[in-house]
Amino acid sequence: QKEVEQDPGPLSVPEGAIVSLNCTYSNSAFQYFMWYRQYSRKGPELLMYTYSSGNKEDGRFTAQVDKSSKYISLFIRDSQPSDSATYLCAMRIKAAVNKLTFGGGTRVLVKP
Amino acid sequence: KAGVTQTPRYLIKTRGQQVTLSCSPISGHRSVSWYQQTPGQGLQFLFEYFSETQRNKGNFPGRFSGRQFSNSRSEMNVSTLELGDSALYLCASSLEGGGGGYTFGSGTRLTVV
Repeated sequence: QKEVEQDPGPLSVPEGAIVSLNCTYSNSAFQYFMWYRQYSRKGPELLMYTYSSGNKEDGRFTAQVDKSSKYISLFIRDSQPSDSATYLCAMRIKAAVNKLTFGGGTRVLVKP
Repeated sequence: KAGVTQTPRYLIKTRGQQVTLSCSPISGHRSVSWYQQTPGQGLQFLFEYFSETQRNKGNFPGRFSGRQFSNSRSEMNVSTLELGDSALYLCASSLEGGGGGYTFGSGTRLTVV
């Protein structure tokens, strides 16, 4: 079983809907959590970076971390066709600063 | 400000050959990490270099190696290529501590035939 699990999708939503994405993980040592967006033929682009449990909001994006449940979420409000991409969660332990463990990614399709 | 630059973008090699990929980090970033992305395994950490020293290593065979130069540019090398090495190889650069997150390049698509 992988350390970080993510539903591969695809997740199809109409334009303007809320996109809800999540990851579960098994390593309780993970303390830093990230969400990346990856378009086809491009590298991942950092969307959100959070430390430990709690919520963080940035524009249309809200990231939530529940360490007690080992569960993280990303919500995208007012989704646009340009949000169609693969979304990857990533996390790391405190000691390994630049070693990220990724989920497999969820493909999202926002239909006009 | 220029992003992370990876060269070449595409590469086709034959089984048994070796290959060298290059990564130029964002100016001022001293840490460079390498990842392999495949449809089956997703993104997997290969290794990380900081100030010309390897700080972390993932679970890949010794055929995968890397190095970092004094200007923070990094190269990774794969020897004795296997069909299963076909993947998108991504590098990411960050400031020391990684607090600002990690910026990825667009990757090198390696196909082994």
